[in-house]
Order: sequence, then C-alpha cells, then structure tokens
Amino acid sequence: QQQVKQSPQSLIVQKGGISIINCAYENTAFDYFPWYQQFPGKGPALLIAIRPDVSEKKEGRFTISFNKSAKQFSLHIMDSQPGDSATYFCAASMIKAAGNKLTFGGGTRVLVKP
Amino acid sequence: EAQVTQNPRYLITVTGKKLTVTCSQNMNHEYMSWYRQDPGLGLRQIYYSMNVEVTDKGDVPEGYKVSRKEKRNFPLILESPSPNQTSLYFCASTTDRGRGGYTFGSGTRLTVV
Repeated sequence: QQQVKQSPQSLIVQKGGISIINCAYENTAFDYFPWYQQFPGKGPALLIAIRPDVSEKKEGRFTISFNKSAKQFSLHIMDSQPGDSATYFCAASMIKAAGNKLTFGGGTRVLVKP
Repeated sequence: EAQVTQNPRYLITVTGKKLTVTCSQNMNHEYMSWYRQDPGLGLRQIYYSMNVEVTDKGDVPEGYKVSRKEKRNFPLILESPSPNQTSLYFCASTTDRGRGGYTFGSGTRLTVV
C-alpha cells in the first residue's frame, strides 16, 4: 500500500505548455514534501520542497501547490522546455522521525516535445 | 565536488553469489540511506544509518545487510541474492534531518539471474 500516490504515470506536453503532476498522501504526520527530478542514468536530485504551513511555493518555472485539508500537493512546470524531460517524484517525510526516510510516489515520466 | 559515489554502476550476478555495492560520500553527512527503485513503485528505503555504527531497517530490508564503520562509507551487502532483488539501487546522504535534501548517487543497476 503506497502512502504517497502520484499521477499521472506519464505525460506528454508541447514546448511552452504547462505540466501538472499530482500527489496525494495518507499519513497526516508527514510535514515535509520535496519533489525530485531524475534524468536517465542519474540519481534523483532535489528540485523544490514545501512545508504544510505554506499553500504555494514558486522557484523559477516550478511551483508547488499544497492543500493540507485534502492531503494533496502538486507540481506545476510552467513554460515547459525539452530540457525538463525527466522523471519526477513527489515525496514526503517526517522531520522528527528516525531514519530521515523519504516516502516516494511512483514517479511521473514527463516528455516535452519541441 | 560534493558527491555520493556508488560502485559498480552495473552488475549481473547469479542467484546465491554474495555481492557488495559500495557507497562513499565526501560531504561529512551523518545520515545515509539505501533505496531501491522499481517501475511504478518509486524509491523504497532499504536501510538507513544515522551515524557511525548506527543502522536500522527501512521499508524493504529483507535479504540485505549494511554496515557503517566509517562516516563516509555505507556498503550494501546481498548475502544470497535472488532474482526479486533485480533492481536499480541508490545510495543517498544528507545532513539535513527530515527535510528531504538528500544527495543521491548515480545508481547501481543489479540483475540477478
């Protein structure tokens, strides 16, 4: 049973379009929600992260929206570029929990067509 | 350059033949973890270490062992590999407790036949 559910599994977007990836979590003890970006042959790299006391965070073309009551958060990639083609993972963690564990969603493969 | 280094990058082995995947970080991080990545399942934590000589199980520890004798190294040991351990493995480290700011290695693709 996945504690963090991610959708869609894949998406194709035209250059300049908006990519939207959604995640839902079950454990209300999660208090930190990072997004990772992974290119083929590489390990995941931290892209952007949000705490549940903030409803939105923006870094450049990447925006996280957070809905605490619905236990959902999403990543928006504005003005998508071919270089954004990668697999994106949402994740959740508990700051005070032992092990510093990240619980990941299943991943979304994004393809941006020129 | 700050990094996590895993070796080997690719490994094909036979069922039951013990193997070790090495992991080393040069950032003086306290926390280190091993994850496996499988299609549709994302990454799942195998083992973690909070510091030297302190290790504990993650979500999928069966069939794996780890050790943390030095702060920089965190090897993953498969005593008797089985085909269901065929996967992509990542070592990661962080000094930022709970905030998900892990630095990941480039991965080890393991195939057990």
